[in-house]
Amino acid sequence: EAGVTQFPSHSVIEKGQTVTLRCDPISGHDNLYWYRRVMGKEIKFLLHFVKESKQDESGMPNNRFLAERTGGTYSTLKVQPAELEDSGVYFCASSQVAVGELFFGEGSRLTVL
Amino acid sequence: AQSVTQLGSHVSVSEGALVLLRCNYSSSVPPYLFWYVQYPNQGLQLLLKYTTGATLVKGINGFEAEFKKSETSFHLTKPSAHMSDAAEYFCAVSRRSGGSNYKLTFGKGTLLTVNP
Repeated sequence: EAGVTQFPSHSVIEKGQTVTLRCDPISGHDNLYWYRRVMGKEIKFLLHFVKESKQDESGMPNNRFLAERTGGTYSTLKVQPAELEDSGVYFCASSQVAVGELFFGEGSRLTVL
Repeated sequence: AQSVTQLGSHVSVSEGALVLLRCNYSSSVPPYLFWYVQYPNQGLQLLLKYTTGATLVKGINGFEAEFKKSETSFHLTKPSAHMSDAAEYFCAVSRRSGGSNYKLTFGKGTLLTVNP
């Protein structure tokens, strides 16, 4: 069974540009989460989807970040326009039940120059 | 609000020695507690979790952790370190925050180095 896959693994962009990160959860997992780790700091929650609905987006930094989950399958996280402080590793995770094990992808490293 | 403190951003042990990674949490309600591990160039993998019941929890690869409510701790241990244990370890706490959301609050991570 395929795990959580994220694309791209690494993206380098200039300040002001747009980047879209994609996450494909494990098939059948209704819960999808986005987390972010800025260098040297803890991994922080961004938002949670249940199927295609946003259950909790309290961790989204600001309105430059837009997350979608099409048809309850894959999800995208768009940053527009990107700022220097957006650099970090963006993790996606999925789970079948709410308190079950979260399965994480390898992360998408974003570098904003 | 919840928080997690991992004591020691970097722990170094010799192969065969005891591994002890410390985690203290703060939570206003009974927590769910987790340890995740991240090997180089991989995603986070669940080592073990405590939800309810027995306070000593056994996980994969010989790791275990004990939930101590009085000390608000959930330290991770392994009797004998192996070279393959070298990785970054994250302690996390979760509580229900609305609907079916059990979002995780992570500690800053502890990088474990195992010396031959």
